[in-house]
Amino acid sequence: AQSVTQPDIHITVSEGASLELRCNYSYGATPYLFWYVQSPGQGLQLLLKYFSGDTLVQGIKGFEAEFKRSQSSFNLRKPSVHWSDAAEYFCAVCSGTNFGNEKLTFGTGTRLTIIP
Amino acid sequence: GAVVSQHPSWVICKSGTSVKIECRSLDFQATTMFWYRQFPKQSLMLMATSNEGSKATYEQGVEKDKFLINHASLTLSTLTVTSAHPEDSSFYICSARDHTKAAINSPLHFGNGTRLTVT
Repeated sequence: AQSVTQPDIHITVSEGASLELRCNYSYGATPYLFWYVQSPGQGLQLLLKYFSGDTLVQGIKGFEAEFKRSQSSFNLRKPSVHWSDAAEYFCAVCSGTNFGNEKLTFGTGTRLTIIP
Repeated sequence: GAVVSQHPSWVICKSGTSVKIECRSLDFQATTMFWYRQFPKQSLMLMATSNEGSKATYEQGVEKDKFLINHASLTLSTLTVTSAHPEDSSFYICSARDHTKAAINSPLHFGNGTRLTVT
């Protein structure tokens, strides 16, 4: 069965500092990987996704993530955070056979706080 | 861009009553919509897949008679929580994608969620 681990429940960074949110997945075959952001009381917005090809993927809002098969990781990064980046971030994995059926497995999320 | 509208955004109901939540795709059509449940400070769990014109597909452990799903048109799916109890209090989120596009090229769009509180 597929699973996702986000080791950091809560991260606080200063505005302008760099950010890395960790995500480790467990899945036997090549996974489809996603990062979503959720603002308080709202739905999820897709930041970026990895299906195949270049292991460094670029997303919206200046985010990027790198797929590392050897480490079963898909960490999210941003070189300089803005106060508006404060939100909950979810990593998710999906098998190719489940894709389209939205059997996404989400991590427990990382809450990002930005301090001035 | 594509938008999924969810209504109501929050609802408080008494134990034993039923609550209906609507999920609409505003500028695209979706043969399937997905209902998730999110407990406080936890992740999202897929409850069921709503299929236009046919029965919903429920995930293991989700009570079909408790969570009634209807997908009457290509733009509307409803989730009815029947005989609600306090343990049903949660954040319910729907999602959908444009079925005219290949899944790999069509992002999943999420509604803003419905906060249900059962007293």
